[in-house]
Amino acid sequence: GDSVTQMEGPVTLSEEAFLTINCTYTATGYPSLFWYVQYPGEGLQLLLKATKADDKGSNKGFEATYRKETTSFHLEKGSVQVSDSAVYFCALRRGNQFYFGTGTSLTVIP
Amino acid sequence: EAGVAQSPRYKIIEKRQSVAFWCNPISGHATLYWYQQILGQGPKLLIQFQNNGVVDDSQLPKDRFSAERLKGVDSTLKIQPAKLEDSAVYLCASSLEGPGGTQYFGPGTRLLVL
Repeated sequence: GDSVTQMEGPVTLSEEAFLTINCTYTATGYPSLFWYVQYPGEGLQLLLKATKADDKGSNKGFEATYRKETTSFHLEKGSVQVSDSAVYFCALRRGNQFYFGTGTSLTVIP
Repeated sequence: EAGVAQSPRYKIIEKRQSVAFWCNPISGHATLYWYQQILGQGPKLLIQFQNNGVVDDSQLPKDRFSAERLKGVDSTLKIQPAKLEDSAVYLCASSLEGPGGTQYFGPGTRLLVL
């Protein structure tokens, strides 16, 4: 069945470091792909999305490219800030079904 | 604009008891979702409503879980009877459009079954 696998955390980075959180998926057809973020004490919120192959989603300095050949949607940011500390979830949608990864906790230290 | 509201925020019950969660979506949002998030796992979609009709409930354990959205606005999710493995955060989300629309999540209800 459909599923999402993302790198396990926790991840700890120094401020201004480069971030990559890996996400790969298994799905038939052409799913839409998402990254959600959950800041401490808050609900999940959409960070970015891509709906077809080679699309690049971007928001708040974060980027992810829908790579169908490698079934991946890795999240990247060139220079992280302390305020980026959160849990990041990769997800896919196919039809009416949504599948989330297990989440990757990121802590950015000054 | 007010966000998705959920209550209660926390609930502790004993196994075999029943419990209900309430969700009020963002005004005007046609689609409402209930998710279960067990500690250390990602959210799992339980049921999805479009207005007051069920779009998908294939992942809902129907022997003990039920949900309704009678007037196409608020929704309740019920567990009866609860089991230890139902301990989780129950998330409600809503979207303006159908499944392709951006989902807005509430803060969740944290359930502990003892």
